[in-house]
Amino acid sequence: GNSVTQMEGPVTLSEEAFLTINCTYTATGYPSLFWYVQYPGEGLQLLLKATKADDKGSNKGFEATYRKETTSFHLEKGSVQVSDSAVYFCALSMSVDQFYFGTGTSLTVIP
Amino acid sequence: KAGVTQTPRYLIKTRGQQVTLSCSPISGHRSVSWYQQTPGQGLQFLFEYFSETQRNKGNFPGRFSGRQFSNSRSEMNVSTLELGDSALYLCASREGAHTEAFFGQGTRLTVV
Repeated sequence: GNSVTQMEGPVTLSEEAFLTINCTYTATGYPSLFWYVQYPGEGLQLLLKATKADDKGSNKGFEATYRKETTSFHLEKGSVQVSDSAVYFCALSMSVDQFYFGTGTSLTVIP
Repeated sequence: KAGVTQTPRYLIKTRGQQVTLSCSPISGHRSVSWYQQTPGQGLQFLFEYFSETQRNKGNFPGRFSGRQFSNSRSEMNVSTLELGDSALYLCASREGAHTEAFFGQGTRLTVV
């Protein structure tokens, strides 16, 4: 079946620290991969996506590369800000199928 | 374009009652999905509609149902509410295959 395994949180970092949130997936075919972010009291917002192997998605300083050989899509940011504090979800989708989400990783950035 | 709109934002219901939640997708999006989000279970898929037809369904009891109208607006209904139905219900719309889903702000349902 299809599933996403995401790094457990919570993660606490100091401002300007480097961020990595690990995400691996299991899929029966060739999924599209996504990172979503959720701020308190809000829905999910798309952060970045990649639709095929070796694609790199990027947005707002965040990056993730679709690695088929390691079935991974790790999220990275070189220098986090307090405003990046949120819950991050890794997800996959097979064509028109539902989205399969990881359990979410809570990030807190302290000044 | 306007985003995905969910109404109401907050609801408080009593056990045994029923509730209807509404979702208006982004204009032009014909696929609408519903998810339940709870602290213990995370994000769980409820169902997906495309052009008024339910295309996929998650593992939820029959008390959870939905429909989609010809203008792509969708509703979900939960009957005989239980305390465990308290959750944030999220609606998402997408344009087509391999595209991202756009989420609404959710409806926070509290069952007392």
